[in-house]
Amino acid sequence: DIVMTQTPLSSPVTLGQPASISCRSSQSLVHSDGNTYLSWLQQRPGQPPRLLIYKISNRFSGVPDRFSGSGAGTDFTLKISRVEAEDVGVYYCTQTTQFPRTFGQGTKVEIK
Amino acid sequence: EVQLVESGGDLVQPGRSLRLSCTASGFTFGDYAMSWVRQAPGKGLEWVGVIRTKAHGGPTEYAASVRDRFTISRDDSQSIAYLQMNSLKTEDTAVYYCARDFGSGSYPLDYWGQGTLVTVSA
Repeated sequence: DIVMTQTPLSSPVTLGQPASISCRSSQSLVHSDGNTYLSWLQQRPGQPPRLLIYKISNRFSGVPDRFSGSGAGTDFTLKISRVEAEDVGVYYCTQTTQFPRTFGQGTKVEIK
Repeated sequence: EVQLVESGGDLVQPGRSLRLSCTASGFTFGDYAMSWVRQAPGKGLEWVGVIRTKAHGGPTEYAASVRDRFTISRDDSQSIAYLQMNSLKTEDTAVYYCARDFGSGSYPLDYWGQGTLVTVSA
């Protein structure tokens, strides 16, 4: 199974300041079709997960442009350019290149 | 609008069985694989299993932790995916989510339901 490792596990941020989360996979996420199926999910308190970013850097429908994804191979990053109050929650990276789907441990973003 | 609604969660004793349902709307259900993902209280996300489309042979895959106890099935005529859980253990206590997996023009795990709570306790 592919192991996904996120850092940090907690990220206290001042409103309006940037935040960054790293995710590393234990093996390459490049699929045989040439795509890299690395996604980022947001889970606000009491809510189900929501897709933010797919295929490393593509924002899903309705996702604000302050969210961006980057990376390649086994190292990926989610950045929030200016954290807003509604961004509080837990962020997960997930690989959907192969089964079983696997998730990072989650990174809790909170306001200082 | 894509919607997924889980139901069937309950309090059950260890060793008993339970069946969850995921009712879909807003898309052609039969064109998409469907996954189940669970989240134990205060913990992270754990993928449970997937059922592919009939066009892909409909095979299922499961996490090692539930293989041989859980079974996923689907009824495309009613747009419902099921998760049959047998021989339940206390460690199966979690909120269970269904999520749309891969399909035509979609991205894996792009839509999620609200979840249904399963509590396994004596």
